Amino acid sequence: SYVLTQPPSVSVAPGETARITCGGDEIGDHHVHWYLQKPGQAPVLVISYDNDRPSGIPERISGSTSGNTAILTIRGAEAENEADYYCQVFKSSFEVVFGGGTKLTVL
Amino acid sequence: VQLLQSGGGLAQPGGSLTLSCEASGFAFENYPMTWVRQAPGQGLEWVSTISGSGSNVFYADSVKGRFVVSRDNSQNTLFLQMNSLETEDTATYYCAKIETTILTPFHFWGQGTLTTVAS
Repeated sequence: SYVLTQPPSVSVAPGETARITCGGDEIGDHHVHWYLQKPGQAPVLVISYDNDRPSGIPERISGSTSGNTAILTIRGAEAENEADYYCQVFKSSFEVVFGGGTKLTVL
Repeated sequence: VQLLQSGGGLAQPGGSLTLSCEASGFAFENYPMTWVRQAPGQGLEWVSTISGSGSNVFYADSVKGRFVVSRDNSQNTLFLQMNSLETEDTATYYCAKIETTILTPFHFWGQGTLTTVAS
């Protein structure tokens, strides 16, 4: 089955840019969606279709794809950005795949 | 949009449990819905998806043949009937509204409900 690979953790200094990667074979052939999840809370969609921001998501958060890697970028990281971030794609014949998740720490 | 989840709790291995997800704030019958679970300390795992009419259903291999997804559009409610439960089914289960059609992102999530399978 298809696998999306994320680093378990990423650290960033306040005000700096955090980049969270999501690797998958020929990932560019699929739309990538990103969710954040804070402790004890439900996930929230933050990026859809590779680089679209749902209403209410700040412009500091963006998505992109390069080769076999999708990237979630958070500019000007703040303490409120600390969360687990998951990438997700749909495969044909209806398979939903999530990455393993990345814990973002702002320190 | 609101998704109010109920059900869950403690079940024994081999037992059954049904989760509910009551929707409000949108035209429920027009949207496919999905279930996603998260084992304690683990990542997200898709479980099942159902079309707006309920005529098309999809399951992860890990639950196929044991779980049944359904919906009552007259009551704006989504269900997940979980049978032959295994300890590996212990997780927080989330229902989510899908953006538009089946292969579109999970736009809004319920608060989650914990199911524990243990003897």
